[in-house]
Amino acid sequence: SQQGEEDPQALSIQEGENATMNCSYKTSINNLQWYRQNSGRGLVHLILIRSNEREKHSGRLRVTLDTSKKSSSLLITASRAADTASYFCATRGAAGNKLTFGGGTRVLVKP
Amino acid sequence: DGGITQSPKYLFRKEGQNVTLSCEQNLNHDAMYWYRQDPGQGLRLIYYSQIVNDFQKGDIAEGYSVSREKKESFPLTVTSAQKNPTAFYLCASTNGGIGEETQYFGPGTRLLVL
Repeated sequence: SQQGEEDPQALSIQEGENATMNCSYKTSINNLQWYRQNSGRGLVHLILIRSNEREKHSGRLRVTLDTSKKSSSLLITASRAADTASYFCATRGAAGNKLTFGGGTRVLVKP
Repeated sequence: DGGITQSPKYLFRKEGQNVTLSCEQNLNHDAMYWYRQDPGQGLRLIYYSQIVNDFQKGDIAEGYSVSREKKESFPLTVTSAQKNPTAFYLCASTNGGIGEETQYFGPGTRLLVL
């Protein structure tokens, strides 16, 4: 089973709106990362948040981490049509040495 | 340009045939990974390698084999033992310890069975 589970599985919004997606995981982590994948392409790293951090920003991206709830959220503000992609969370376990990916959230931003 | 290249972009496999997917990186990264992605799904780890001449099985290694003879190269062979090989295969690399840093991905190879 996958460590991270994203919610919702799919999201459709209008350009200019904010998009929020969530990731839940099961075991203790060292860090949590968010990646983006355009259709038929490789993944691109967006942001990494460590277990001792609660919030990070990068441009129009805001990530939060709540280790007590074992969950993270990714917010994309003022979305653009070019933000249309699948977004994946990936966790590195506290004792493990590899990344475990969730199933992804497919985001469609309509112009 | 630095990065990861994968070839071919599309690969067709006949029943009972072994096929090899290429992954090359010029980022001077120590660690390399192979993932499988099925439609609408996340990534599952097949094999990974922390250093030349060393590699470990991931979560779904059965029916696959790898080698790491050079730092830059980490080819994946899909053997005839893999009964459901149709998927999108992604190679990635990191600088530093396994899982410690962000992963850089290649463009992927789509494998189809004839």
